Amino acid sequence: RKEVEQDPGPFNVPEGATVAFNCTYSNSASQSFFWYRQDCRKEPKLLMSVYSSGNEDGRFTAQLNRASQYISLLIRDSKLSDSATYLCVVNTGPGGATNKLIFGTGTLLAVQP
Amino acid sequence: GAVVSQHPSRVICKSGTSVKIECRSLDFQATTMFWYRQFPKKSLMLMATSNEGSKATYEQGVEKDKFLINHASLTLSTLTVTSAHPEDSSFYICSATGIYNEQFFGPGTRLTVL
Repeated sequence: RKEVEQDPGPFNVPEGATVAFNCTYSNSASQSFFWYRQDCRKEPKLLMSVYSSGNEDGRFTAQLNRASQYISLLIRDSKLSDSATYLCVVNTGPGGATNKLIFGTGTLLAVQP
Repeated sequence: GAVVSQHPSRVICKSGTSVKIECRSLDFQATTMFWYRQFPKKSLMLMATSNEGSKATYEQGVEKDKFLINHASLTLSTLTVTSAHPEDSSFYICSATGIYNEQFFGPGTRLTVL
């Protein structure tokens, strides 16, 4: 079983749609969680951290369920510029200098005009 | 957010040569930097953790004698791919950790070995 699993997609949605991505992780000792965005042939860029209480940043909402080891990302009112690969990322280290990020394979989102 | 740079952005070399890639944190100090590799349509895979002033920690399956890492200062880590071969062709990305454990990535170096 992969440490971080995501549906690879692609998700093809029209502009303005709401789309949700899911992710599961296997290490129950994981400490912190992130969503990154990666455009084609570019480096990953941090989209948002994911907190236990859930958090929102504009059109983006992230949720974490530690009991189920499940993370989600909701994008409302999709824009063409949201087209990218969304990476679910889990930090399995205890923090500080022993950070170790495990990346999911990513979910490809294509927003259609 | 914090800025991490990498140089060169792209390199093409002949088989058997060595290639050095630099990773710099531009506006913050990074005690720890990380080196990743990403093959086409695959996820990023951690190669090694680079610690300032000490030896790097390599992930299982990564040859430390082939991928030499030097973290000489709090703002610079280098990865040298020694005796590169075509199978080493990949996208190499470094990152540095921010104060909240988030990682900021460099723009990556695309290595092509002929």
